[in-house]
Amino acid sequence: DVKVTQSSRYLVKRTGEKVFLECVQDMDHENMFWYRQDPGLGLRLIYFSYDVKMKEKGDIPEGYSVSREKKERFSLILESASTNQTSMYLCASTWTGMGNSPLHFGNGTRLTVT
Amino acid sequence: QKEVEQNSGPLSVPEGAIASLNCTYSDRGSQSFFWYRQYSGKSPELIMSIYSNGDKEDGRFTAQLNKASQYVSLLIRDSQPSDSATYLCAFSGASKIIFGSGTRLSIRP
Repeated sequence: DVKVTQSSRYLVKRTGEKVFLECVQDMDHENMFWYRQDPGLGLRLIYFSYDVKMKEKGDIPEGYSVSREKKERFSLILESASTNQTSMYLCASTWTGMGNSPLHFGNGTRLTVT
Repeated sequence: QKEVEQNSGPLSVPEGAIASLNCTYSDRGSQSFFWYRQYSGKSPELIMSIYSNGDKEDGRFTAQLNKASQYVSLLIRDSQPSDSATYLCAFSGASKIIFGSGTRLSIRP
């Protein structure tokens, strides 16, 4: 079974703090993704990565950056957290040939910025 | 036109009945289609993948794909209260997977 692990289930941070959200997958997947999910807005793609040290912007990259130094780990960074980044953050991974492979999600991190 | 459209619901179905969830998509080049179930406060969980036209059955779930009409549906037979959740359809786009906003399903006892 694919396991995608997000480091924190709940996180509370203050405005202006630098925030790291960590994600690790154990299935040697090439592709990893960060989404945020908000009521009424659905899942929105922030960043994704096809390989180590590679990253691509998704639909809403502003205010975020990512790091992929190892194949199994994909980190989302909020350089200076703001209240509008309060959300549920979901990490996902899949094999190469993404067109035929579903995403496998981690348990999510509910981030509150005060 | 949105890339994928789902009725947001809520869809209320009596226990034991068939729940029918529908999704339309705009990209004719899509090859892969998925249904996810998401309980409140939890992450999406893959329940069905379908890649070719027709029906695919897995237990109480049946996914139906019609590429000519660009729709995919999910039938849940013998609906149970534990099926109450939001159901997301998704399909493979040019370089990513596109998600619908989900249909909230409520199974009433």
